[in-house]
Parts: sequence; structure tokens; C-alpha cells
Amino acid sequence: GAVVSQHPSWVICKSGTSVKIECRSLDFQATTMFWYRQFPKQSLMLMATSNEGSKATYEQGVEKDKFLINHASLTLSTLTVTSAHPEDSSFYICSARGGTEPLQAFFGQGTRLTVV
Amino acid sequence: GQNIDQPTEMTATEGAIVQINCTYQTSGFNGLFWYQQHAGEAPTFLSYNVLDGLEEKGRFSSFLSRSKGYSYLLLKELQMKDSASYLCAVRGMYSSASKIIFGSGTRLSIRP
Repeated sequence: GAVVSQHPSWVICKSGTSVKIECRSLDFQATTMFWYRQFPKQSLMLMATSNEGSKATYEQGVEKDKFLINHASLTLSTLTVTSAHPEDSSFYICSARGGTEPLQAFFGQGTRLTVV
Repeated sequence: GQNIDQPTEMTATEGAIVQINCTYQTSGFNGLFWYQQHAGEAPTFLSYNVLDGLEEKGRFSSFLSRSKGYSYLLLKELQMKDSASYLCAVRGMYSSASKIIFGSGTRLSIRP
């Protein structure tokens, strides 16, 4: 399967600061990337879908000005949590689709964000 | 809209067989996935069904009935390491940006 690398694996930040999470497809070109959030003991909730070179499509209830998504190239998408608050503490996971298996989405390792 | 239902928790015995069911109601369908997720880790792909029938892959098998909006994941010869959450996910109508939506997941506990 294809490899998706997500960085950082974990981050602790102060309330009010911004955090950037990177998602890279290492051995294929990702035409579409998805960003999910997962709270403890809950399933993955889709936050937004991004296609390279175009604006992300956000799910209902997700603030696009708070969760900035950039998909500037076919191998990199970034999620920036702006003015983070403790309630933003969660597990953020990206997945990418493309390459020779376009119907499947490959997941990054996830980023555990803790806002203090 | 899309709705995906699966049991919240299940318990099974090491060496036994367990079946995890998933029912879905979606506006358009283009495939169903099963993922395994251990606590604190990202999901790992187990299976993908787009046509009716059974797909077997080692100890794991997945079944799909599109007319019934139903799938199951069958795990045989259970091992302690199979204790994890199992996520059913559905992909909508095919397009360059069609989404994969996840069910709430089934936490499977294996006892000796």
C-alpha cells in the first residue's frame, strides 16, 4: 500500500496559539486529502476534503477560519488550527487518495494535539 | 445523508470466531471499507467490498449485500492482538472528491 506521513505525531501548545500539521504522500500523488478528528472512544469525524490547487470543502459545523487547510501540491496538505483552545485537543488524522489505488484512502499516523 | 450503524462493543474468546455487523443508509454507494484501529493509533486497512459477496483475506473475511445495505467482518482464530476497534466506512458516489464516512466503530475485547 501507499505511504502517508503525518507530522508531528504529537504536539502540546498554549491556548491562543496556532499549530500546523503536515500530511505528505511519500510515494504517490494524492489528488484528494481528507482531514479527520477523533475524540477519545469515538469514531473519526470528517472535517474537510481538499483537492490539490483548490479550496477545501468543509463539513457542516467545522469552522473554516479556525481550521485552515492548504493543499498546495499533489504530495502535501496542511491543517492549521488557529487560536487553539483546550476543546480543540484531539487526535487529528489525515488520509490521502490517489496513485494506483484511487478508490482507497491511506492514513497518516495521526497527530495528538493537546492545548493547555 | 449517510448513516452507518455498528455495535458499540463486543467480547469474544481467544481462538473463537466473531462477526461484526454494519448496516448503512447512504445517498449513493461506491464501496465499503473495514479498518482496524488500536488505541492511540491511526486506522489500518483491512478490506474493501464494492460488489456483493464475500472477500476472504487470511483470518479476516468481509461480506457485502448492497440491496440490504449490510456488511459484516468475520474474524477467525481470534488472537489477543485482535483486541481493537473495528471501523466500518462507506464511500459515496464516485467522483474525484467523494468522501469516506466512518461508523462509530466496534470495540472488540478478546478474553483468554
